[in-house]
Amino acid sequence: IVLTQSPGTLSLSPGERVTLSCRASQSVSSSYLAWYQQKFGQAPRLLIYGASSRATGIPDRFSGSGSGTEFTLTISTLEPEDFAVYYCQQFGSSPRVYSFGQGTKLEIK
Amino acid sequence: QLQLQESGPGLVKPSETLSLTCTVSGDSISSSSYYWGWIRQPPGKGLEWIGSIYFGGSTYYNPSLKSRVTISVDTSKNQFSLNLTSVPAADTAVYYCARYSRVIAAFDIWGQGTMVTVSA
Repeated sequence: IVLTQSPGTLSLSPGERVTLSCRASQSVSSSYLAWYQQKFGQAPRLLIYGASSRATGIPDRFSGSGSGTEFTLTISTLEPEDFAVYYCQQFGSSPRVYSFGQGTKLEIK
Repeated sequence: QLQLQESGPGLVKPSETLSLTCTVSGDSISSSSYYWGWIRQPPGKGLEWIGSIYFGGSTYYNPSLKSRVTISVDTSKNQFSLNLTSVPAADTAVYYCARYSRVIAAFDIWGQGTMVTVSA
């Protein structure tokens, strides 16, 4: 399964609302769709699992939704620390493989 | 608090074998709730899953790397390891080890990553 994220780069200002897209080449179980945030020079951090559940310690301005082949990550009000690269990831049970989208970079306008 | 730490050579020659170890501290690697995985990131590029292992030894590999990858686990040392053979320069990347929770179906804990350069 190939995950395609769009757009590749977004230029936004703090305080704005943003929705990132992750499209799968075939249907993905919502249970196996996750989102990660990666800041420069750091390891990725889990934000969302099961398409819509926030990981421990993740602020409620982050939310995930979607099903089938279309998934989204929304940040309701951008904070300065949210400017980073975001990846979606899925697990496929047959064959048993994991794949990541190519990432969406949020940059400060 | 669970921590993962990658270790291994930062420089590998082309055609040789890249070997890394991930040491798990703060919890046992022998938990039925988790898989343990390797993910890499070439400079300036995205994340690529390499493979995962269960404490019992079951392994799952990225089909594009399967012929060159071996992941093993040493429960007595609370470690798991990556061997990648016949490396070309394109294997230059930051290599991360991570825990995959079967409960939430996501990589929930990551190591800090280690940069490996393939160069003569």
